[in-house]
Amino acid sequence: AQSVSQHNHHVILSEAASLELGCNYSYGGTVNLFWYVQYPGQHLQLLLKYFSGDPLVKGIKGFEAEFIKSKFSFNLRKPSVQWSDTAEYFCAVTLHGSSNTGKLIFGQGTTLQVKP
Amino acid sequence: NAGVTQTPKFRVLKTGQSMTLLCAQDMNHEYMYWYRQDPGMGLRLIHYSVGEGTTAKGEVPDGYNVSRLKKQNFLLGLESAAPSQTSVYFCASSYGAWGGTDTQYFGPGTRLTVL
Repeated sequence: AQSVSQHNHHVILSEAASLELGCNYSYGGTVNLFWYVQYPGQHLQLLLKYFSGDPLVKGIKGFEAEFIKSKFSFNLRKPSVQWSDTAEYFCAVTLHGSSNTGKLIFGQGTTLQVKP
Repeated sequence: NAGVTQTPKFRVLKTGQSMTLLCAQDMNHEYMYWYRQDPGMGLRLIHYSVGEGTTAKGEVPDGYNVSRLKKQNFLLGLESAAPSQTSVYFCASSYGAWGGTDTQYFGPGTRLTVL
């Protein structure tokens, strides 16, 4: 079965530190890749997504992610985190194809805590 | 434009009771989804709908039923609640672009506790 793995469950950083959150998926076909963020007390919202073209994708709030097909990875990065980035981050995948219907397969989530 | 709304926000049930969660969207989206979020497990798809009058099972459908009688509403029912259904439930919707490239828009969630 297809799955998404986020290896870091809980990350603690100081403000201005660089961030990289890992995401790997298991599926041999074409995928669409997403990062969603859930700020405390809020609903999930899209940070960025990739489905074709330049494998380096830029999203909102200074986040970016790189799709490396050979590694089945889609890691999220930010050069300098802020206290307001404290949130839970989810990597998700949809399988490309006519029968897909857009069903998202989520990773377990990574809780990021940024200390001021 | 309210986006995706969910009713209620919180609920406590006793084992065996039934309830219905309502999801409404005002974006004229074709596709709607129900997920549950449990600690350390991310979000898992319960049921989904690709249009008015259609429903389909997701990853964890047992113990739940759904209906999509109107395009803007997607109802999730628990006929006989169990403690294992204690969770946070999220509804989402999307336009329904071919190939799964859509962004899904999520509601604020419903926190359900089953005693």
